Amino acid sequence: GAGVSQSPSNKVTEKGKDVELRCDPISGHTALYWYRQSLGQGLEFLIYFQGNSAPDKSGLPSDRFSAERTGGSVSTLTIQRTQQEDSAVYLCASRSGLAMGNEQFFGPGTRLTVL
Amino acid sequence: DQQVKQNSPSLSVQEGRISILNCDYTNSMFDYFLWYKKYPAEGPTFLISISSIKDKNEDGRFTVFLNKSAKHLSLHIVPSQPGDSAVYFCAASARTNAGKSTFGDGTTLTVKP
Repeated sequence: GAGVSQSPSNKVTEKGKDVELRCDPISGHTALYWYRQSLGQGLEFLIYFQGNSAPDKSGLPSDRFSAERTGGSVSTLTIQRTQQEDSAVYLCASRSGLAMGNEQFFGPGTRLTVL
Repeated sequence: DQQVKQNSPSLSVQEGRISILNCDYTNSMFDYFLWYKKYPAEGPTFLISISSIKDKNEDGRFTVFLNKSAKHLSLHIVPSQPGDSAVYFCAASARTNAGKSTFGDGTTLTVKP
């Protein structure tokens, strides 16, 4: 498809388990972002990849969270030893270049529920 | 410290009337602002943007106004339509870190028929 896709759309897991969330950005987009939206909250920045530069990890809430972007395309967000407070919608976005006028294109999100 | 604030969690307007959504920011380095719209179970989609060199940008029924001295921007929707009912996010970025946007918490707009 032409847009950003994310999988799975929903994930239910037990506290303490690891989860992996996948993002397929728009082809050719050099920037990729992960955000999370907890219930009733705004978009919380997690991590940002730009080309071959070192990712901006300043938003990751703890060392249980990590992300990779392989080959400048697909990205995986991994949450280790999940906690109930990790329950949220995890959104991925991609962007073409760094020009100020370039907006981010978002995927539909993965709803994570930690029991 | 929340750098982008949308102080109204919700707004309800009648179809055909004007909707005004507000956004305040604290970081004086922000010089580009965007509005996104989000429907339930979907990701946000870009709506309209404005650079700090302007004080107004219009696109059809949507107009964004920027007041730099007050660090305030607003989105006007005229006339409002029921299909405009969604969550609206304000976002800001700085030229010094153009790839990164800071988002507000969103305002839920309900347009009643």
